[in-house]
Amino acid sequence: QLQLQGSGPGRVKPSETLSLTCTVSGGSINSKDYYWGWIRQPPGKGLEWIGSIYYGGSTYYNPSLKSRVTISVDTSKEQFSLRLSSVTAADTATYYCAREHDDTSGYCWFDSWGQGTLVTVSS
Amino acid sequence: SSELTQDPAVSVALGQTVRITCQGDSLRRYYASWYQQKPGQAPVVVLYINNNRPSGIPDRFSGSSSGNTASLTITGAQAEDEADYYCSSRDSSGNHVVFGGGTKLTVL
Repeated sequence: QLQLQGSGPGRVKPSETLSLTCTVSGGSINSKDYYWGWIRQPPGKGLEWIGSIYYGGSTYYNPSLKSRVTISVDTSKEQFSLRLSSVTAADTATYYCAREHDDTSGYCWFDSWGQGTLVTVSS
Repeated sequence: SSELTQDPAVSVALGQTVRITCQGDSLRRYYASWYQQKPGQAPVVVLYINNNRPSGIPDRFSGSSSGNTASLTITGAQAEDEADYYCSSRDSSGNHVVFGGGTKLTVL
C-alpha cells in the first residue's frame, strides 16, 4: 500500500521560503509511469496544482507560481521536496503531496495523496 | 482563475441521481479525473480517464464526456457521498495540470 507522508514547518514568516518534504513508502519513487506532485488548498477554498517532478528530475510547474517554486527529488531517500520562496499570507494553505499517474495518451490523475500539511504564513 | 468551471453547489435527495459537471476547452482533448474530498481529509480519486473507477469506489459513480463538458454522475446518492468534488485535467496547452473550482454536494 503506497503511502505519502509530508513534513515541514507549520509556520513560515512573510518573505521567507516555505520548505516541505514528502516521503514515499510502500512503493518506489523510481517508477516510469509516475510523476510526483504538490497541490495546495487555502482554507475554505479549492485545489491548486503547484507542480510535479519525475524521478529523473524533469519538472513542470504552474505558470502562476513558476518564478517562486522549486521541486526536487532524492531517489536514494524516496523523497521529493517543495520550496516556495518569498511567501505571503496568500500562500497560507494545506499542502498535499501526491502521486501523479501519467499515461501514454497524455492523461493524468493523482491516485495517491498524503495527509496534507497546513502551513501558515505569519510573522 | 481556473480553466475548468464547476457549479459551486449541488443538492440531491437521498437515493436519487445527481450529475456534477465540469466545463473547459481542454476537455475537448483531455479526459477529466474526479476527486472526492470530505471535511478535514485529503482528496480521493473516484474516476480517472473519464469513466474508470479505482478499486474500492462504488459503481454508483460514473463519468461521461461530451464536447467541452465532463460529468460525474452518482446514481442512487448515499449520505456518505456528501462532499466536495473536484474535476482535473491538463490545461489547453497540455503542459500543465488544472483543477476546477469544486462543487459542494449536499445529500438531503
